[in-house]
Amino acid sequence: GENVEQHPSTLSVQEGDSAVIKCTYSDSASNYFPWYKQELGKRPQLIIDIRSNVGEKKDQRIAVTLNKTAKHFSLHITETQPEDSAVYFCAPGFGNEKLTFGTGTRLTIIP
Amino acid sequence: GAGVSQSPRYKVAKRGQDVALRCDPISGHVSLFWYQQALGQGPEFLTYFQNEAQLDKSGLPSDRFFAERPEGSVSTLKIQRTQQEDSAVYLCASSLTGLAGELFFGEGSRLTVL
Repeated sequence: GENVEQHPSTLSVQEGDSAVIKCTYSDSASNYFPWYKQELGKRPQLIIDIRSNVGEKKDQRIAVTLNKTAKHFSLHITETQPEDSAVYFCAPGFGNEKLTFGTGTRLTIIP
Repeated sequence: GAGVSQSPRYKVAKRGQDVALRCDPISGHVSLFWYQQALGQGPEFLTYFQNEAQLDKSGLPSDRFFAERPEGSVSTLKIQRTQQEDSAVYLCASSLTGLAGELFFGEGSRLTVL
C-alpha cells in the first residue's frame, strides 16, 4: 500500500509570509496529487490538485509542485492570511478511487 | 441537493450495539467513498462505489463493517457490535467520476462508542 509522510506536522508563519508543506509517497503508480484543507470541525475541502503529467500548477496564492522521480510534491501558500489557518492534508492516489491521506500539517498564521 | 448530506451528525452507541450511517451524495455523482477519521488523524479509506457496484472494500477494518449503495445513489455504512475503537468521524464523499477530480465531502457522522 501507499506510505505517505507530511512535513512539517505543525507550522507557524507571520501573516504575509509564505508557507511550504512537503508530502512524500511510496507508490510509483500514483498519478493524482491533491491537497485538502480542513478547518476545525469542518469537512475536508480540495484546494488544489495536480496530475502526473504536469510539474507545477498555480491558483492565485496557492501552488503545487510535483517531483515524480523523487516521489514528493509540495504545497506553497504565498502572502498568507489568517483564514489560511487550518490543517492541510496531502492525499496521493491512482485516480481518486483510493486516496491515501497524510497525517496532516497544522498551519497557524500569526497576525 | 447542493452538497453531500450525512445523517446522523452525532451518534452515541453502547458497546455491542449496531449503528447505521447514511450518506446522500451530490445528484449525478457516480463515485461514492467512505472514509474514517480518528481524532487528530487524516481520513482513512474504507470503501468505494461506482454507481451501485462496490469496487473496493479493502479499507473496511473487519467483517463488522458493511456498506451498500443499492440504487447507485444513497449509501449506508453499517457497523455491527460496535467497539470503542470504532469511535471516529465517518466521512462520506462523492465525485463525478473515479478517474480523478475533487472529492466533495459531507460534514461527517461522529460516532462515540461507550
